[in-house]
Amino acid sequence: NAGVTQTPKFQVLKTGQSMTLQCAQDMNHEYMSWYRQDPGMGLRLIHYSVGAGITDQGEVPNGYNVSRSTTEDFPLRLLSAAPSQTSVYFCASRPGWGRFYEQYFGPGTRLTVT
Amino acid sequence: AQRVTQPEKLLSVFKGAPVELKCNYSYSGSPELFWYVQYSRQRLQLLLRHISRESIKGFTADLNKGETSFHLKKPFAQEEDSAMYYCAGSRLTFGEGTQLTVNP
Repeated sequence: NAGVTQTPKFQVLKTGQSMTLQCAQDMNHEYMSWYRQDPGMGLRLIHYSVGAGITDQGEVPNGYNVSRSTTEDFPLRLLSAAPSQTSVYFCASRPGWGRFYEQYFGPGTRLTVT
Repeated sequence: AQRVTQPEKLLSVFKGAPVELKCNYSYSGSPELFWYVQYSRQRLQLLLRHISRESIKGFTADLNKGETSFHLKKPFAQEEDSAMYYCAGSRLTFGEGTQLTVNP
C-alpha cells in the first residue's frame, strides 16, 4: 500500500492564484482531513470528511474548499491564494472514529504564496 | 470536542537525561488521546495512544484523569529523539507541538 499520498511536494503561487492540493489514500479509510502546520501554532484542522459526499469545516476553513466524490480522494482547493496561506499542508486519513484509531499522514505539501 | 494544550513550545535536554513533554486536555467524556512524532522533514506518525498503555522507543504516557494530563516521558533521552511531538485529542484536534532537542 502507498498509504496517504500528496501532490505536489512544493508549490509557489502568486497572490490571487488558485490551485488544488491533491490527496489520495489506498487504505479504504472513511475519514480524511486536511491540516496546516505553522510554526508555534501546531496543526490546525482546515476541513474534514467522514465519508464520500460528506465534508465539514474545521478550525480554519476560510479560503479553502474541499470535496469528497470518492473514498480515495480528498482534494483541497485554494480559491484565491493569500500570503497568509503560506504553510505546510498535511492530509490524513483514519479508519474509524474514536480512541482506537490513529491518523495516517501524507508527506505534506509546502506552499509559498508571494 | 476534547481540546489539548502543550504548554512548552521548546524543550532542550542532554543525552541520557529524563524528558517529560506535557499535554493537558479539557474534559469532555471519555478521553481519546494520542502522541504523534514528526522527525525532521518527515510525515507525522503515531507514537502512542492512551488506550493501549504501551511503551514505544522507550516512551510512555500515563493518563492522569485528576490532573487531566497525558504527559509523555522517557527516562533516558537519546539524540535520535530530537523531533516535534504533538499531543492529539478527540475530533481530530492537535496541540501546539513541542520541539524536543536532545543535545550530545
